[in-house]
Amino acid sequence: DTAVSQTPKYLVTQMGNDKSIKCEQNLGHDTMYWYKQDSKKFLKIMFSYNNKELIINETVPNRFSPKSPDKAHLNLHINSLELGDSAVYFCASSQHGAGERETQYFGPGTRLLVL
Amino acid sequence: AQRVTQPEKLLSVFKGAPVELKCNYSYSGSPELFWYVQYSRQRLQLLLRHISRESIKGFTADLNKGETSFHLKKPFAQEEDSAMYYCAPFSGVDAGGTSYGKLTFGQGTILTVHP
Repeated sequence: DTAVSQTPKYLVTQMGNDKSIKCEQNLGHDTMYWYKQDSKKFLKIMFSYNNKELIINETVPNRFSPKSPDKAHLNLHINSLELGDSAVYFCASSQHGAGERETQYFGPGTRLLVL
Repeated sequence: AQRVTQPEKLLSVFKGAPVELKCNYSYSGSPELFWYVQYSRQRLQLLLRHISRESIKGFTADLNKGETSFHLKKPFAQEEDSAMYYCAPFSGVDAGGTSYGKLTFGQGTILTVHP
């Protein structure tokens, strides 16, 4: 009955590899997000999708490609991983994206370490 | 561009002491602000939002438009309050003629309450 889940929880990989992180929410929310928390705990939004459509795309390298097969899932694929990609990636969801101030519900995070 | 500053990266107090976590923002228009909290080994979660004018776990936060601040306060800190706290203004994003919203997180303050 977990609200927002992410897999994997930990990911250790070599530089240059391609990896994916998956996120699922069972709250019936329309909007999903990806955030990156760096080593200094600075939390920054990367992407947001509403009903499978991209609505926020911050200044993120195009090696990062989000994919939303349906509104309950938002996956993050990362190509050609670099050392600087090491971080904790959080998925979140909220009820509506249409200008309302909804609470965002966060997943447990995926700790990515690029060696 | 909207910015939020949490000037204290680390804050330590003793149990029973008052605590104030500072947050300053720059935002045009009518801001809406949130405090999110991340306890050890738990996911990020909403603590309170300014429009609710509520007190959660003894914490309150008043929006001061003159000082552009949204400081989080608690008169008597408890050990279980030890956590990472993020101030987050909410802003609107226009996409395809529809308004959506996004949170911009500050860099966070790690609060440690000593026994």
